[in-house]
Amino acid sequence: GAGVSQSPSNKVTEKGKDVELRCDPISGHTALYWYRQRLGQGLEFLIYFQGNSAPDKSGLPSDRFSAERTGESVSTLTIQRTQQEDSAVYLCASSLDTGVYGYTFGSGTRLTVV
Amino acid sequence: DQQVKQNSPSLSVQEGRISILNCDYTNSMFDYFLWYKKYPAEGPTFLISISSIKDKNEDGRFTVFLNKSAKHLSLHIVPSQPGDSAVYFCAAMWGAQKLVFGQGTRLTINP
Repeated sequence: GAGVSQSPSNKVTEKGKDVELRCDPISGHTALYWYRQRLGQGLEFLIYFQGNSAPDKSGLPSDRFSAERTGESVSTLTIQRTQQEDSAVYLCASSLDTGVYGYTFGSGTRLTVV
Repeated sequence: DQQVKQNSPSLSVQEGRISILNCDYTNSMFDYFLWYKKYPAEGPTFLISISSIKDKNEDGRFTVFLNKSAKHLSLHIVPSQPGDSAVYFCAAMWGAQKLVFGQGTRLTINP
């Protein structure tokens, strides 16, 4: 596609439920990144993929968070047993390769845990 | 451990004047720096970048300056326009790995 597509754009869930967030990167982009932005804060790195392997998962806050990627295509970020502190905008980005090309970000998924 | 810091949460500038956004970093291994711009309900968009081997990069109204000895970079926008009102994020990387972002500065351009 022309850009990075994320779905859903908004998600309201009850505390304790699982959620799945989806990211469709730009075709041909081998690197894919997940970040989150909590209210009033900066972008917090979660995980990145090179192809379908994840060389750096250091930003995942807890074992309730997991992510996978199918080949060089779609990625899903799963949050199990959601907590209120998980409320944030989850941003996905892709790039041609890890490196200095800069990322192209999607518009994000706004997750609200009530 | 905040490796990239933007100490000014907000900045207000009159239209036509210069906007200067600042960023400090602590990791001397960073070898590439980028600025992103973000409008509400949109993802950040790439604005301009600079390699650590340079001290200045210019693109139209936007110029980024890098002072490695001070571990400081700045983004200059001149002249500032109303459409420049957005949140600006400074980001850094090393070894072609992930980008580390600052907290952002909200720039408001007043007519």
